[in-house]
Amino acid sequence: DTGVSQNPRHKITKRGQNVTFRCDPISEHNRLYWYRQTLGQGPEFLTYFQNEAQLEKSRLLSDRFSAERPKGSFSTLEIQRTEQGDSAMYLCASSPRAGRTHTQYFGPGTRLTVL
Amino acid sequence: AQKITQTQPGMFVQEKEAVTLDCTYDTSDPSYGLFWYKQPSSGEMIFLIYQGSYDQQNATEGRYSLNFQKARKSANLVISASQLGDSAMYFCAMREGQGDYKLSFGAGTTVTVRA
Repeated sequence: DTGVSQNPRHKITKRGQNVTFRCDPISEHNRLYWYRQTLGQGPEFLTYFQNEAQLEKSRLLSDRFSAERPKGSFSTLEIQRTEQGDSAMYLCASSPRAGRTHTQYFGPGTRLTVL
Repeated sequence: AQKITQTQPGMFVQEKEAVTLDCTYDTSDPSYGLFWYKQPSSGEMIFLIYQGSYDQQNATEGRYSLNFQKARKSANLVISASQLGDSAMYFCAMREGQGDYKLSFGAGTTVTVRA
């Protein structure tokens, strides 16, 4: 059983550019979550999906951020017109529909640096 | 108000000894879950242990145990027989409510195991 995968692992971009990250959850996990973690802090919730439906979005998710999970499998997180304050680790997690349904299993993260 | 408080920014422990990491939480919901995750320098969040608010027994997973004191709203993690590979950041997290799945994380505690 492979874990959650995220691509790319690292992204360096210039301010004002758009970036897109991808997350592939563990197979058969129906819930998928995005978090953001800045240096020295715990992760902060951004949004989550149950299958293809986006059920909750944090106030942290400004208009420049959009997330999709079109077929209920992988998800993408896009940041438009990046700002230096967007520099952070973006973590994706998934949880199963049966068994330990509340437990979230995290991917390795995408580290974004905005110059 | 902070939902999860971890008051120990950093701790040192001798190899083979036990260490306790403190976590207090704040919620008015009778249904909640508490989690501990480990984050090594590689960045991936690794699930360690889960305690549900209605669980009668303290959770244990191998060398990890959770000292759940409901009246004091504390959920301390005990790592027994510390190993060098336990050196990492440890986060306490909480899920509130039956239908809510997002996690709120504390600021974390860095553990350094000395040989």
